[in-house]
Amino acid sequence: DAGVTQSPTHLIKTRGQHVTLRCSPISGHKSVSWYQQVLGQGPQFIFQYYEKEERGRGNFPDRFSARQFPNYSSELNVNALLLGDSALYLCASSPPGGRVADTQYFGPGTRLTVL
Amino acid sequence: RKEVEQDPGPFNVPEGATVAFNCTYSNSASQSFFWYRQDCRKEPKLLMSVYSSGNEDGRFTAQLNRASQYISLLIRDSKLSDSATYLCVVNGRGGADGLTFGKGTHLIIQP
Repeated sequence: DAGVTQSPTHLIKTRGQHVTLRCSPISGHKSVSWYQQVLGQGPQFIFQYYEKEERGRGNFPDRFSARQFPNYSSELNVNALLLGDSALYLCASSPPGGRVADTQYFGPGTRLTVL
Repeated sequence: RKEVEQDPGPFNVPEGATVAFNCTYSNSASQSFFWYRQDCRKEPKLLMSVYSSGNEDGRFTAQLNRASQYISLLIRDSKLSDSATYLCVVNGRGGADGLTFGKGTHLIIQP
Protein backbone atom coordinates (compact mmCIF):
# COMPACT_ATOMS: atom_id res chain seq x y z
CA ASP A 1 0.00 0.00 0.00
CA ALA A 2 1.18 3.53 -0.72
CA GLY A 3 2.24 5.58 2.25
CA VAL A 4 1.56 9.26 2.87
CA THR A 5 2.59 11.31 -0.14
CA GLN A 6 3.53 14.98 -0.21
CA SER A 7 4.27 17.46 -2.95
CA PRO A 8 6.44 19.18 -3.85
CA THR A 9 9.54 17.60 -2.31
CA HIS A 10 11.53 20.82 -2.37
CA LEU A 11 10.53 24.45 -2.76
CA ILE A 12 12.41 27.74 -2.78
CA LYS A 13 10.50 30.96 -2.16
CA THR A 14 11.36 34.54 -1.27
CA ARG A 15 10.19 36.54 1.72
CA GLY A 16 6.62 37.79 1.44
CA GLN A 17 5.51 35.11 -1.00
CA HIS A 18 2.80 32.53 -0.45
CA VAL A 19 3.19 28.74 -0.56
CA THR A 20 0.80 25.77 -0.80
CA LEU A 21 1.91 22.31 0.26
CA ARG A 22 -0.08 19.20 -0.53
CA CYS A 23 -0.58 15.86 1.20
CA SER A 24 -2.42 12.62 0.44
CA PRO A 25 -3.00 10.29 3.38
CA ILE A 26 -2.70 6.53 3.48
CA SER A 27 -5.77 4.93 1.91
CA GLY A 28 -8.49 4.53 4.56
CA HIS A 29 -7.03 7.19 6.87
CA LYS A 30 -9.36 10.12 7.50
CA SER A 31 -7.17 12.25 9.76
CA VAL A 32 -4.30 14.42 8.54
CA SER A 33 -1.89 16.43 10.66
CA TRP A 34 0.76 18.96 9.69
CA TYR A 35 4.08 19.56 11.45
CA GLN A 36 7.01 21.94 11.00
CA GLN A 37 10.52 20.69 11.70
CA VAL A 38 13.39 23.16 11.80
CA LEU A 39 16.97 21.91 11.84
CA GLY A 40 18.01 20.40 15.16
CA GLN A 41 14.49 20.32 16.61
CA GLY A 42 11.70 17.79 16.81
CA PRO A 43 8.60 18.36 14.66
CA GLN A 44 6.15 21.00 15.97
CA PHE A 45 2.41 20.48 15.58
CA ILE A 46 0.61 22.94 13.29
CA PHE A 47 -2.86 21.53 12.52
CA GLN A 48 -4.95 18.39 12.63
CA TYR A 49 -7.96 17.75 10.39
CA TYR A 50 -10.50 14.96 10.61
CA GLU A 51 -13.40 14.53 8.19
CA LYS A 52 -12.67 18.01 6.76
CA GLU A 53 -13.00 19.68 10.17
CA GLU A 54 -10.14 21.29 12.07
CA ARG A 55 -9.67 19.28 15.27
CA GLY A 56 -6.58 20.93 16.66
CA ARG A 57 -4.23 23.81 16.09
CA GLY A 58 -0.72 24.39 17.42
CA ASN A 59 0.94 27.66 18.37
CA PHE A 60 1.44 29.08 14.88
CA PRO A 61 0.44 32.51 13.54
CA ASP A 62 -2.62 33.10 11.37
CA ARG A 63 -0.36 33.17 8.31
CA PHE A 64 -0.64 29.39 8.49
CA SER A 65 -3.90 27.83 7.32
CA ALA A 66 -4.99 24.44 6.08
CA ARG A 67 -7.93 22.55 4.73
CA GLN A 68 -8.96 18.99 4.05
CA PHE A 69 -10.84 17.84 0.98
CA PRO A 70 -13.62 15.22 0.60
CA ASN A 71 -11.03 12.64 -0.52
CA TYR A 72 -9.13 13.34 2.78
CA SER A 73 -6.16 14.96 1.05
CA SER A 74 -5.02 18.22 2.57
CA GLU A 75 -3.31 21.50 1.79
CA LEU A 76 -1.19 23.67 4.07
CA ASN A 77 -0.97 27.33 3.09
CA VAL A 78 1.54 29.81 4.42
CA ASN A 79 1.21 33.51 3.57
CA ALA A 80 3.75 36.34 3.84
CA LEU A 81 6.69 33.97 4.16
CA LEU A 82 9.45 34.81 6.60
CA LEU A 83 13.02 33.52 6.66
CA GLY A 84 12.12 31.61 9.82
CA ASP A 85 9.53 29.58 7.91
CA SER A 86 12.37 27.64 6.27
CA ALA A 87 11.86 24.09 7.48
CA LEU A 88 10.80 20.56 6.64
CA TYR A 89 6.99 20.44 6.55
CA LEU A 90 5.67 17.01 7.43
CA CYS A 91 2.22 15.60 6.87
CA ALA A 92 1.00 12.62 8.87
CA SER A 93 -2.13 10.50 8.64
CA SER A 94 -3.83 8.36 11.29
CA PRO A 95 -6.03 5.29 11.00
CA PRO A 96 -9.64 5.68 12.16
CA GLY A 97 -11.02 4.45 15.44
CA GLY A 98 -9.82 3.51 18.88
CA ARG A 99 -6.33 3.60 20.32
CA VAL A 100 -4.62 3.22 16.95
CA ALA A 101 -6.02 6.63 16.00
CA ASP A 102 -3.24 8.12 18.12
CA THR A 103 -0.61 6.61 15.87
CA GLN A 104 0.57 8.87 13.07
CA TYR A 105 2.43 7.89 9.91
CA PHE A 106 4.54 10.53 8.23
CA GLY A 107 5.11 11.42 4.62
CA PRO A 108 8.56 12.30 3.26
CA GLY A 109 8.01 16.00 3.82
CA THR A 110 8.39 19.17 1.78
CA ARG A 111 11.63 21.05 2.35
CA LEU A 112 10.86 24.77 2.13
CA THR A 113 13.65 27.32 1.82
CA VAL A 114 12.77 30.99 2.15
CA LEU A 115 15.37 33.43 0.79
CA ARG B 1 10.13 23.11 31.68
CA LYS B 2 10.07 21.63 28.19
CA GLU B 3 7.13 19.32 27.46
CA VAL B 4 9.28 16.36 26.36
CA GLU B 5 12.92 16.28 27.33
CA GLN B 6 15.63 14.02 25.95
CA ASP B 7 19.40 13.92 26.14
CA PRO B 8 20.45 15.02 22.63
CA GLY B 9 23.68 12.96 22.72
CA PRO B 10 25.38 11.94 20.56
CA PHE B 11 25.68 8.48 22.03
CA ASN B 12 28.65 6.70 20.44
CA VAL B 13 28.21 2.96 20.99
CA PRO B 14 30.16 -0.04 19.65
CA GLU B 15 28.31 -2.50 17.46
CA GLY B 16 26.75 -5.30 19.52
CA ALA B 17 26.41 -3.23 22.69
CA THR B 18 23.21 -2.45 24.56
CA VAL B 19 22.13 1.19 24.72
CA ALA B 20 19.34 2.87 26.67
CA PHE B 21 17.65 6.23 26.15
CA ASN B 22 15.33 8.02 28.52
CA CYS B 23 12.86 10.81 28.18
CA THR B 24 10.62 12.72 30.58
CA TYR B 25 7.34 14.44 29.82
CA SER B 26 5.60 17.24 31.70
CA ASN B 27 1.91 16.76 30.83
CA SER B 28 0.46 14.24 33.27
CA ALA B 29 -2.68 14.05 31.10
CA SER B 30 -0.70 12.52 28.20
CA GLN B 31 -2.46 9.43 26.93
CA SER B 32 -0.20 7.75 24.39
CA PHE B 33 3.53 7.42 24.05
CA PHE B 34 5.78 6.51 21.16
CA TRP B 35 9.32 6.20 19.98
CA TYR B 36 10.00 7.33 16.42
CA ARG B 37 13.23 6.93 14.52
CA GLN B 38 14.45 9.62 12.12
CA ASP B 39 17.31 9.22 9.67
CA CYS B 40 19.17 12.29 8.42
CA ARG B 41 16.90 14.51 6.25
CA LYS B 42 14.14 11.88 6.24
CA GLU B 43 10.71 11.71 7.85
CA PRO B 44 10.15 10.21 11.33
CA LYS B 45 9.16 6.56 11.22
CA LEU B 46 7.23 4.86 14.00
CA LEU B 47 9.50 2.52 15.92
CA MET B 48 7.24 1.49 18.80
CA SER B 49 4.13 2.47 20.67
CA VAL B 50 4.52 2.42 24.46
CA TYR B 51 1.54 1.62 26.65
CA SER B 52 1.27 1.15 30.40
CA SER B 53 2.53 -2.42 30.33
CA GLY B 54 5.51 -1.54 28.17
CA ASN B 55 6.32 -3.06 24.83
CA GLU B 56 8.97 -5.31 23.28
CA ASP B 57 9.72 -5.79 19.57
CA GLY B 58 12.75 -7.92 18.79
CA ARG B 59 15.86 -6.11 20.01
CA PHE B 60 13.85 -3.08 21.15
CA THR B 61 12.12 -2.69 24.52
CA ALA B 62 10.17 0.38 25.61
CA GLN B 63 8.96 1.07 29.14
CA LEU B 64 6.58 3.66 30.56
CA ASN B 65 6.53 4.92 34.16
CA ARG B 66 3.45 7.12 34.52
CA ALA B 67 4.15 7.99 38.15
CA SER B 68 7.55 9.45 37.25
CA GLN B 69 6.43 10.62 33.77
CA TYR B 70 9.35 8.79 32.25
CA ILE B 71 9.74 6.70 29.09
CA SER B 72 12.70 4.54 28.15
CA LEU B 73 13.98 2.72 25.07
CA LEU B 74 16.47 -0.14 25.24
CA ILE B 75 18.26 -1.43 22.15
CA ARG B 76 20.06 -4.76 22.52
CA ASP B 77 22.77 -6.13 20.20
CA SER B 78 22.99 -2.81 18.37
CA LYS B 79 23.58 -2.83 14.60
CA LEU B 80 25.26 -0.24 12.39
CA SER B 81 21.82 0.35 10.84
CA ASP B 82 20.49 1.50 14.23
CA SER B 83 22.42 4.76 13.80
CA ALA B 84 19.74 7.46 13.71
CA THR B 85 17.97 10.06 15.84
CA TYR B 86 15.40 8.61 18.24
CA LEU B 87 12.44 10.86 19.01
CA CYS B 88 10.39 10.49 22.18
CA VAL B 89 6.77 11.43 21.46
CA VAL B 90 3.67 11.91 23.59
CA ASN B 91 0.06 12.48 22.60
CA GLY B 92 -2.18 14.63 24.76
CA ARG B 93 -5.88 15.07 24.21
CA GLY B 94 -6.49 12.14 21.92
CA GLY B 95 -4.91 13.90 18.99
CA ALA B 96 -6.43 17.38 19.23
CA ASP B 97 -3.13 18.78 20.43
CA GLY B 98 -1.13 16.74 17.97
CA LEU B 99 1.95 14.80 18.89
CA THR B 100 4.56 16.49 21.08
CA PHE B 101 8.10 15.56 20.15
CA GLY B 102 11.33 15.74 22.05
CA LYS B 103 14.36 17.11 20.23
CA GLY B 104 15.67 13.59 19.75
CA THR B 105 18.68 11.58 20.86
CA HIS B 106 21.37 11.04 18.25
CA LEU B 107 22.80 7.49 18.23
CA ILE B 108 25.96 6.50 16.36
CA ILE B 109 26.84 2.80 16.24
CA GLN B 110 30.54 2.30 15.59
CA PRO B 111 32.01 -0.80 13.89
